[in-house]
Amino acid sequence: EDKVVQSPLSLVVHEGDTVTLNCSYEVTNFRSLLWYKQEKKAPTFLFMLTSSGIEKKSGRLSSILDKKELFSILNITATQTGDSAVYLCADSGAGSYQLTFGKGTKLSVIP
Amino acid sequence: DTGVSQDPRHKITKRGQNVTFRCDPISEHNRLYWYRQTLGQGPEFLTYFQNEAQLEKSRLLSDRFSAERPKGSFSTLEIQRTEQGDSAMYLCASSLGLAGGRDEQFFGPGTRLTVL
Repeated sequence: EDKVVQSPLSLVVHEGDTVTLNCSYEVTNFRSLLWYKQEKKAPTFLFMLTSSGIEKKSGRLSSILDKKELFSILNITATQTGDSAVYLCADSGAGSYQLTFGKGTKLSVIP
Repeated sequence: DTGVSQDPRHKITKRGQNVTFRCDPISEHNRLYWYRQTLGQGPEFLTYFQNEAQLEKSRLLSDRFSAERPKGSFSTLEIQRTEQGDSAMYLCASSLGLAGGRDEQFFGPGTRLTVL
């Protein structure tokens, strides 16, 4: 059964800190892993990862995938209060285009 | 705004009533998805369309739920005889329909349903 587990479920940090969010997954015939940011609205796409070891970067955010160990991490450096959100991880497997999401990590960045 | 749009944004209804939601995907996107999200959980897949064909349905989609995409553009999700357990955010997403897994899904703002 497809399963995505994120940790921690919640995290409180101070502005300027660096955070690492974790996502482990189990899916038959892995196709891709995606990260989304969700504030009080719809999830906003961040990254899609399909190959191990290739780091995706966008400003202060970066993500990497380990297909052997079945996990991904999302790093945020120099956090800002605007980074406060729920970060969702999702995977998809061959033969289906549905995404299976984890419960998310709620990140709170305090000044 | 050329993103995914959904209507209405909020719906309050009484148990037993029927409700219908609409989703307009990004114009060139062939695939359209419906998800449901409850508090503290990630979105759960309900169904998806490739153009007008409904290709996959989740076991979560009971007989009271029906979705259509008649012309391969906008989609509707109808819930008949609503129950309090149907209260959730209903999210629509769309994607280009690329092969090989590199097919990002972009989400709309959602319709929040409250069943009294």
